[in-house]
Amino acid sequence: GQNIDQPTEMTATEGAIVQINCTYQTSGFNGLFWYQQHAGEAPTFLSYNVLDGLEEKGRFSSFLSRSKGYSYLLLKELQMKDSASYLCAVRDRNNAGNMLTFGGGTRLMVKP
Amino acid sequence: DAGITQSPRHKVTETGTPVTLRCHQTENHRYMYWYRQDPGHGLRLIHYSYGVKDTDKGEVSDGYSVSRSKTEDFLLTLESATSSQTSVYFCAISEDKDTGREQYFGPGTRLTVT
Repeated sequence: GQNIDQPTEMTATEGAIVQINCTYQTSGFNGLFWYQQHAGEAPTFLSYNVLDGLEEKGRFSSFLSRSKGYSYLLLKELQMKDSASYLCAVRDRNNAGNMLTFGGGTRLMVKP
Repeated sequence: DAGITQSPRHKVTETGTPVTLRCHQTENHRYMYWYRQDPGHGLRLIHYSYGVKDTDKGEVSDGYSVSRSKTEDFLLTLESATSSQTSVYFCAISEDKDTGREQYFGPGTRLTVT
């Protein structure tokens, strides 16, 4: 099985930088995904890491350390529209489909 | 945006009644998934499909069944709805299994069982 932990809520200020952490335990790691979900909407894909290191995509970056079972999502130059839930999900190589196990999500509130 | 639709988008039903939710895709993706999302639990996988007539159970499959008779349609059935099945249900699709290709989610169905 898998266990994925991330903080429940975070608050940050517009224009600032925020880091959302995710720790996981899995028997056969095969990739980590970050999704963004605005209230009342479907999750949308942000990033994918399968090797150690940092993946940068505009204002968003995601980091992975497989040896530590740790990832973070870094959001720079925060905007009010970044207020949303951020979901960490891990894929296990031992499953038959492209199945993901999700953490509970981190609700980020951006304040002016 | 990936072509995924879910129907109905909202439904209120009574305990003990059967309910079927439909997921329809126009992307010809092989993999399809049903999740439920509840406060405090995040997204949990109910069932998934890896091809026509090929399905398997997920983490929370009790009380649910699925069918996939065509590539584009994946049906989720609650044989006898219970209040604990009140939730938001998301369908997702995926093109490939082992690459970085992400799952795309449908708009969701809000189901209330009274």
